[in-house]
Amino acid sequence: DAGVIQSPRHEVTEMGQEVTLRCKPISGHDYLFWYRQTMMRGLELLIYFNNNVPIDDSGMPEDRFSAKMPNASFSTLKIQPSEPRDSAVYFCASSLTAKAGELFFGEGSRLTVL
Amino acid sequence: GENVEQHPSTLSVQEGDSAVIKCTYSDSASNYFPWYKQELGKRPQLIIDIRSNVGEKKDQRIAVTLNKTAKHFSLHITETQPEDSAVYFCAASSNYQLIWGAGTKLIIKP
Repeated sequence: DAGVIQSPRHEVTEMGQEVTLRCKPISGHDYLFWYRQTMMRGLELLIYFNNNVPIDDSGMPEDRFSAKMPNASFSTLKIQPSEPRDSAVYFCASSLTAKAGELFFGEGSRLTVL
Repeated sequence: GENVEQHPSTLSVQEGDSAVIKCTYSDSASNYFPWYKQELGKRPQLIIDIRSNVGEKKDQRIAVTLNKTAKHFSLHITETQPEDSAVYFCAASSNYQLIWGAGTKLIIKP
């Protein structure tokens, strides 16, 4: 397996624009996580899915953020409208379990909002 | 809820010396404690983990110890090498998710 695949790797956009980040988890992994990483706040869990169903979205910072998982092999994280404070690296990760097994991270999407 | 504190935030050691990073957690029900390494510009990757029924685990130059009574666990790296330079994150399981420490930047001085 190629691992968790994220796109785009880098995105530069202007404030107010819509941003869509994409993730393909490892085949067979039932859990998918979206994390945000910044220097100030470290690694923050935004939302996670189990079998394509959102289980906990309490980490989603605002209504501007939304995530979907239409099938077992694809998830999106959307920010609309984007703001400069959304600038961060967004990681997608997948796992066989929710909390007691290895998380496999994608390479991340570095978002810069001007 | 669970809280994980990690110290130090930065650690600088001479190549060949040992490095120790410590984490404390608050939820006595936590039972899984992984350590992740993140090299500059790369993704976090699991390097070692320990479960609450074990007090120590080793894998070549790295080891993790767990003290459930005191609710702390530590990462030990012996004979440090330049490729050990990275940010290291501890985490503790709580209910349905991992709670992460803030990270330790490990610098290996030549």
